[in-house]
Order: sequence, then structure tokens, then C-alpha cells
Amino acid sequence: QVQLVQSGAEVKKPGASVKVSCEASGYTFAQYAVHWVRQAPGQRLEWMGWIIAANAMTYYSQTFQGRVTITWDTTANTAYMELNSLTSEDTAVYYCAREKVGGGYNEDCDYWGQGTLVTVSS
Amino acid sequence: DIQMTQSPSSLSASVGDRVTITCRASQIISRSINWYQHKPGKAPKLLIYGASNLQSGVPSRFSGSGSGTDFTLTISSLQPEDGATYFCQQNYNSPRAFGQGTKLEIK
Repeated sequence: QVQLVQSGAEVKKPGASVKVSCEASGYTFAQYAVHWVRQAPGQRLEWMGWIIAANAMTYYSQTFQGRVTITWDTTANTAYMELNSLTSEDTAVYYCAREKVGGGYNEDCDYWGQGTLVTVSS
Repeated sequence: DIQMTQSPSSLSASVGDRVTITCRASQIISRSINWYQHKPGKAPKLLIYGASNLQSGVPSRFSGSGSGTDFTLTISSLQPEDGATYFCQQNYNSPRAFGQGTKLEIK
């Protein structure tokens, strides 16, 4: 069955970087993209960007442009999201979700990871 | 960028009640909206796609409607397991945008 399994919780100091992984299984990866979304405490979900697994093409939200890097490791079937220059405002739960490239709405963010809590604190 | 305004932010209802949650887009998005159920510590679950289509395996008490800018998620007969946060997402274009969520409490 389709699974997106994310790495565990992280605690980081301000100014540091964090790299969260999202291991995919149960589907044909080359046909899909992976989105990254976060939710800070008391806030709505916020879209960060996505990567197309077949060609590693990325698209980032302007909010995070220059500070976020999303990559895909073909050998490990894993997507990564690295966020730099962390501040307390980056404390959030980070999620990955898949989308079939060129697919229908039912294949758009139809499966999500369980979430990774990133806490930024001095 | 498209903004999504969701209401109410919370509600409390009893088993068997009919519940309605709305999302309004800041511009026309055709029928490009998905609805999700999210329980603490779990992955969000897709309920409705393309505004009104029931995702496979989702109970038929869930339904969606709307097009253009105004959309609705309805739970026809609330069940105890429906206590969760519900949110909408526009997939008309990027950057994707989400509603602020509706926390549904079962009395």
C-alpha cells in the first residue's frame, strides 16, 4: 500500500538548518511529485514547494525561496526538505504529500506523511 | 496568490447532526478544491476531490459542493469518529493555499 514515512522530530538552534526526509513506497515514483507543507502552532497549513521525482524539477513558494531546498534520492525513493537559517517562527509540523503528475484531483495530495515536528529553540 | 477563507473555525455538534463547513476562494478556481480530515498525530486524509467527488473508501455521509469561489463540505449524519479538524486546499495553481481549518467537536 502507499506509504509516506517521515523522519523523526528535530530540535534545532536558531540559525541552524534542518533536513526532513519522506520515504515513499507502494507506488511508481517516477509518475509523481512530492509536496512539502508545514503547520506552525495555531496557524493554517502553508505550502512550501514541490519536486517532480522523474526529473527533479522543483518549484518553491516565494515565502521560502532561497531558504528551502527540496531534493529526491532515486536510489532511496526518498524526498528531502532542507530549511536553512532557522528561527523560532519555523517551529512547526512539516508534512510531505504526493501528487500524480498530470493526474486528476483524486491523485493530488491524496496521501500524506505522518508529519515531523521541528522545534527551533535556543 | 489565491487565498482560502474557511468558516467556521470551530463547531460543536451532536451525533446525527448535519454539519456544513464552507471555503471561499479569493478568485475563481473552477472546481479545483480538495477537502481533508485531520486527526492529531495522523496524516491528513483526503475526503473530497474536485469539489464534489467522494474519495474511494470515504463514507457517503461526506459530500462536497460548489464551483467558482464558494464551496461546501457537508457531513449528513455526524458520527463519533468524525471529531477532527477539516480543511480545504485549492489545487488550481501554485502556490497551493489552504483554509485555516475547522475543528469539529462531537458533543
